[in-house]
Amino acid sequence: GQQLNQSPQSMFIQEGEDVSMNCTSSSIFNTWLWYKQEPGEGPVLLIALYKAGELTSNGRLTAQFGITRKDSFLNISASIPSDVGIYFCAGVSNSGYALNFGKGTSLLVTP
Amino acid sequence: GAGVSQSPSNKVTEKGKDVELRCDPISGHTALYWYRQSLGQGLEFLIYFQGNSAPDKSGLPSDRFSAERTGGSVSTLTIQRTQQEDSAVYLCASSPAGTGRNSPLHFGNGTRLTVT
Repeated sequence: GQQLNQSPQSMFIQEGEDVSMNCTSSSIFNTWLWYKQEPGEGPVLLIALYKAGELTSNGRLTAQFGITRKDSFLNISASIPSDVGIYFCAGVSNSGYALNFGKGTSLLVTP
Repeated sequence: GAGVSQSPSNKVTEKGKDVELRCDPISGHTALYWYRQSLGQGLEFLIYFQGNSAPDKSGLPSDRFSAERTGGSVSTLTIQRTQQEDSAVYLCASSPAGTGRNSPLHFGNGTRLTVT
């Protein structure tokens, strides 16, 4: 599959801080998705992006589909302890249909 | 409503044994995917079923891996002659159709496979 580079690998922050993570690809994607995974569970969809330049919010989460169609970012504002988990970016390239996943950003939030 | 159900949730097996992992997708979902997640890694695509079309097996790592989907619903992932490197969490996901705008993937909680 296509290689997705996700950064940072991990973040350790204090409650109330804002968080930003991003994902880049060597090829063009026509869909970008952001998932959150908690221990012992499968990933849960947070935000879906289908159009270059699209900026979408879901509560304290905001994600954007990069203009070049090769990148996306996810921001979390005013983090809280329950934001803890692993966040994955995922994308679908023009030539495929299976989701390609990044390696994840592990987020730890201290009260 | 009921989500994607996978069983067993945990499986410990001896090297060389065969294992079967089961996935019950959400009722009515035509697309079904298997992914593998190794410790600290992202999700690795294994196989994709869409309706009655031939499955995309391009992600299967070796011929020891196979999957079936009977009646367009339940799917079974079989690993023959398991090896220690097969240890991982195997995740199943389903969607109404493909990965278009209205077809987000819904994941099960996975089967954690440990090969000793």
